[in-house]
Amino acid sequence: DVKVTQSSRYLVKRTGEKVFLECVQDMDHENMFWYRQDPGLGLRLIYFSYDVKMKEKGDIPEGYSVSREKKERFSLILESASTNQTSMYLCASSTATLYFYNEQFFGPGTRLTVL
Amino acid sequence: GESVGLHLPTLSVQEGDNSIINCAYSNSASDYFIWYKQESGKGPQFIIDIRSNMDKRQGQRVTVLLNKTVKHLSLQIAATQPGDSAVYFCAEKGGFQKLVFGTGTRLLVSP
Repeated sequence: DVKVTQSSRYLVKRTGEKVFLECVQDMDHENMFWYRQDPGLGLRLIYFSYDVKMKEKGDIPEGYSVSREKKERFSLILESASTNQTSMYLCASSTATLYFYNEQFFGPGTRLTVL
Repeated sequence: GESVGLHLPTLSVQEGDNSIINCAYSNSASDYFIWYKQESGKGPQFIIDIRSNMDKRQGQRVTVLLNKTVKHLSLQIAATQPGDSAVYFCAEKGGFQKLVFGTGTRLLVSP
């Protein structure tokens, strides 16, 4: 089974703290994604990586950065956490295709609360 | 920009009924669509997908219908069970290797 794991299910941080969210996939997928999920807004793409050390901004990258030093690991970094970053964060991975599309496999999510 | 929307935020059905979850999309050039199911406390899970060269695709108890003329997608669940209670998301291909997700519909199945 494809497995995407996230380092924490629940996380509580204070405003201004630097926060690291880790994601690991075990299926040798090229693509990895970070989404933010808020009620009524669905899933919004924060950052996307299609290869080691490669990254691309999604729809809402402001206030976030990412790191992908190894193929299986994709980290989301909140440089200075703010209360409006309280949300559910979902990591996903997929294989790369040239013409068609492959499904994304999701982790269980990290619910981050910033106080 | 692209947008994928859902008509109903919550759908309540009786166990055994058929459920239909609708989705409208705005990008007429989209060539791939996918439905995900998200149960409470879990990440979204793939249900079924469809490419734009098809009008209909069937899986186990689920059918996806694509109407490109009106840019509408639907997910039909036959004989809905309590275990089908979840939030359902439609998504369309949104550029290289990416998906654009809708806001989700909550399906509530009562016994």
